[in-house]
Amino acid sequence: DIQMAQSPPSLSASVGDRVTITCRASQSISSYLNWYQQKPGKAPYLLIYAASTLRSGVPSRFSGSGSGTDFTLTISSLQPEDFATYFCQQSYSPPLYTFGQGTKLVIK
Amino acid sequence: EVQLVESGGGLVQPGGSLRLSCAASEFSFSSFWMSWVRQAPGKGLEWVASIKRDGSEKYYVDSVKGRFTISRDNAKNSLYLQMNSLGAEDTAVYYCARGLGSAWYPDWFDPWGQGTLVTVSS
Repeated sequence: DIQMAQSPPSLSASVGDRVTITCRASQSISSYLNWYQQKPGKAPYLLIYAASTLRSGVPSRFSGSGSGTDFTLTISSLQPEDFATYFCQQSYSPPLYTFGQGTKLVIK
Repeated sequence: EVQLVESGGGLVQPGGSLRLSCAASEFSFSSFWMSWVRQAPGKGLEWVASIKRDGSEKYYVDSVKGRFTISRDNAKNSLYLQMNSLGAEDTAVYYCARGLGSAWYPDWFDPWGQGTLVTVSS
């Protein structure tokens, strides 16, 4: 099974900061990597698919990059509504999928 | 607006059974793979099961194989998850999600339903 490791588990930042979250796969997954945002008590929401493609309607301050085993999600200028938990998900081995353990972004 | 609405969660005793439902609207349900993903309290996301557009292929995470059954009724735009032999480890919010991506298998999930809580406890 492909394991996904996210870092850091928690991140403290301020409005306006640039933040980067990392996701590492246990083997190469090409660009089969997706990112989701989840707010407390809500369902996950797709942000980025295929490593770097922004879902329609997602603000351009979100971006994704990487291929192979190492991927990043970057928020260029944090907004108050961005404080949430972020998950990566691999789809290299469909239809068996695995998620990272999540990164909780909190207000400093 | 594309919408998924789960129902059927609740409190069940260990060893018991429960059937979850997911009602889909505002998209061509029969044209998409559908999946169940769960989240234990305070934990991360775990893919549980997926079913092909016509129901001819079904896949499960190892921990639920032989206990859970995913199914769908395209005439009713509905997805189901029959859960048997439930244990405490199955306590979670269960989300249904539409699969998108390649022509063969879905790559990502969008959208997700609001979730339904399953609690396994005596």
